[in-house]
Amino acid sequence: QQQVKQSPQSLIVQKGGISIINCAYENTAFDYFPWYQQFPGKGPALLIAIRPDVSEKKEGRFTISFNKSAKQFSLHIMDSQPGDSATYFCAAGSGTYKYIFGTGTRLKVLA
Amino acid sequence: GAGVSQSPSNKVTEKGKDVELRCDPISGHTALYWYRQSLGQGLEFLIYFQGNSAPDKSGLPSDRFSAERTGGSVSTLTIQRTQQEDSAVYLCASSFPVGLETQYFGPGTRLLVL
Repeated sequence: QQQVKQSPQSLIVQKGGISIINCAYENTAFDYFPWYQQFPGKGPALLIAIRPDVSEKKEGRFTISFNKSAKQFSLHIMDSQPGDSATYFCAAGSGTYKYIFGTGTRLKVLA
Repeated sequence: GAGVSQSPSNKVTEKGKDVELRCDPISGHTALYWYRQSLGQGLEFLIYFQGNSAPDKSGLPSDRFSAERTGGSVSTLTIQRTQQEDSAVYLCASSFPVGLETQYFGPGTRLLVL
């Protein structure tokens, strides 16, 4: 019930393409869904986050799509760039301090 | 301003030795978190501090792991009698106030137990 399942484990996209990473959760008490971006040798950094009262949130080239009934949410990176190559983690929280993180997706954008 | 800092950045130790990992949170952040990141795994919650108190230690994997925080600032994660399975990146994060506010992560300490 506390798991957040993330897929794919790794992803290779051509420059200019769309990168899509999916996450699914079980606990309906989760009400905050952040995405973190991590570059090698660095700590994760918040990229974008959504609450379940909206179905989509967009910030620049990054969009979160949220499907409450399916208990799924996804990150879309439009016009993917080599600089987007990183590991992406989804997470879920439920009004407390504790996030449950997905296992991460290693994205490589080819130049 | 300065972000979350952690030291050392890398630590190699022998099995059975004790290690101490340090975290300096962002000034004024009342909440502090420790996570463990193993190769190919997500971030595993270890412990959370509010001020100097640790209301939730549920993620500590064994009694060899302990953590403390002093002055509402610096935190130390101690691993006693290290085992090879303790090898991982240990990440610290802080936030203000506690709750689902943005958690700011440090760069981590890479621990290798030989």
